[in-house]
Amino acid sequence: EAGVTQFPSHSVIEKGQTVTLRCDPISGHDNLYWYRRVMGKEIKFLLHFVKESKQDESGMPNNRFLAERTGGTYSTLKVQPAELEDSGVYFCASSSTGGYTGELFFGEGSRLTVL
Amino acid sequence: AQSVTQLDSHVSVSEGTPVLLRCNYSSSYSPSLFWYVQHPNKGLQLLLKYTSAATLVKGINGFEAEFKKSETSFHLTKPSAHMSDAAEYFCVVSDGRAFNKFYFGSGTKLNVKP
Repeated sequence: EAGVTQFPSHSVIEKGQTVTLRCDPISGHDNLYWYRRVMGKEIKFLLHFVKESKQDESGMPNNRFLAERTGGTYSTLKVQPAELEDSGVYFCASSSTGGYTGELFFGEGSRLTVL
Repeated sequence: AQSVTQLDSHVSVSEGTPVLLRCNYSSSYSPSLFWYVQHPNKGLQLLLKYTSAATLVKGINGFEAEFKKSETSFHLTKPSAHMSDAAEYFCVVSDGRAFNKFYFGSGTKLNVKP
């Protein structure tokens, strides 16, 4: 069974440009999450999809970030325009259960560098 | 509010000696607690989890952790370190109210010396 896959693994862009990160969850997982780790700090929650609906987007830093999950399968996270402080590693995770005991399965992350 | 404190950013041990990675948490509700490991250029992998069952939890690769409510701690241990254990370890608390909203500690990098 394929795990959570993320693309690209690394992206280097200039300030003001746009970047789109993609996440393919484990097949059949309704729950999809985005997390971010900036400059070696804590990994922080960005948002949570249940199927195609946003369950919780309280962690999204500002309106330059847009997440979508069309059809309830893969998800994209767009940063437009990118700023220097957006640099970090963006993790995607998925789970089959919605309860708090459920395990999250993480992808390898997309490293974003904004110059 | 939920939070996690990993007391050591770096831990260095010799191969074959015990490992102790410390974690303290704060939670307003009955928490679920997890330890995840990240090897270089890999995703986060679940080591073990506590979900209000046995307080001593055994995980993969010989790791275990003990939930101590009175001390609000969930320290990760392993009797004998192996070179392959070198990685970054994250203690995580889940908000008992919200679906899988995980709160991560800042991570502990474990170095294993030959």
